[in-house]
Amino acid sequence: QVQLEQSGAEVKKPGASVKISCKTSGFTFTTYVIHWLRQAPGQELEWMGWINVGNFNRRYSQNFRGRLAFARDTSASTATMELSSLTSGDTAVYYCAREGGYTIDYWGQGTLVTVSS
Amino acid sequence: QSALTQPRSVSGSPGQSVTISCTGASSDVGNYNYVSWYQQYPGKAPKLMIYDVSKRPSGVPDRFSGSKSGSTASLTISGLQAEDEADYYCCSYGGEYTWLFGGGTRLTVL
Repeated sequence: QVQLEQSGAEVKKPGASVKISCKTSGFTFTTYVIHWLRQAPGQELEWMGWINVGNFNRRYSQNFRGRLAFARDTSASTATMELSSLTSGDTAVYYCAREGGYTIDYWGQGTLVTVSS
Repeated sequence: QSALTQPRSVSGSPGQSVTISCTGASSDVGNYNYVSWYQQYPGKAPKLMIYDVSKRPSGVPDRFSGSKSGSTASLTISGLQAEDEADYYCCSYGGEYTWLFGGGTRLTVL
């Protein structure tokens, strides 16, 4: 079955960077797009962008321009997201999710990132 | 302010039907049939309930249905059950390879 397994919770200081991994299984990794989204405590879902695993094309939400970087390791069926210059406003649960035909269908379990001095 | 507008909350009694609206623009909801709906329990990841406006993934009860008129999409849950109490989010393809989400609706089963 389709699974997306994310790395564990992180605590970071303001100004630092965080990298989250998303290990996938149950589907052909290189034929899909992986999206990244986040949800601040008690808030709505926010779309961050995507990476086309097959051709390495990426699209970032303008809300994160310059701070966000997506990558993938096809040999490990793993996608990664790195967010830099963290502030307290970046405290959130971060999700990776698979997209099939314009639909974001399967989600990882989420990774809590806490930014605190 | 979210890109797609949903009511903050809706409620209904067991057995009743409720409808959650999701209003976008002619450039997103009104222009593409790529609207999806997600159910989210506290502390859990969202689960896909409806995609392509009105299609249900395997395993989703047929009590859940979706529709769209103009720039407003809707999720209807009939025969409400206690387990339906959750947050619901709509999502639309926004063109130019972007996706938009609604602010979420808290469904309370009375």
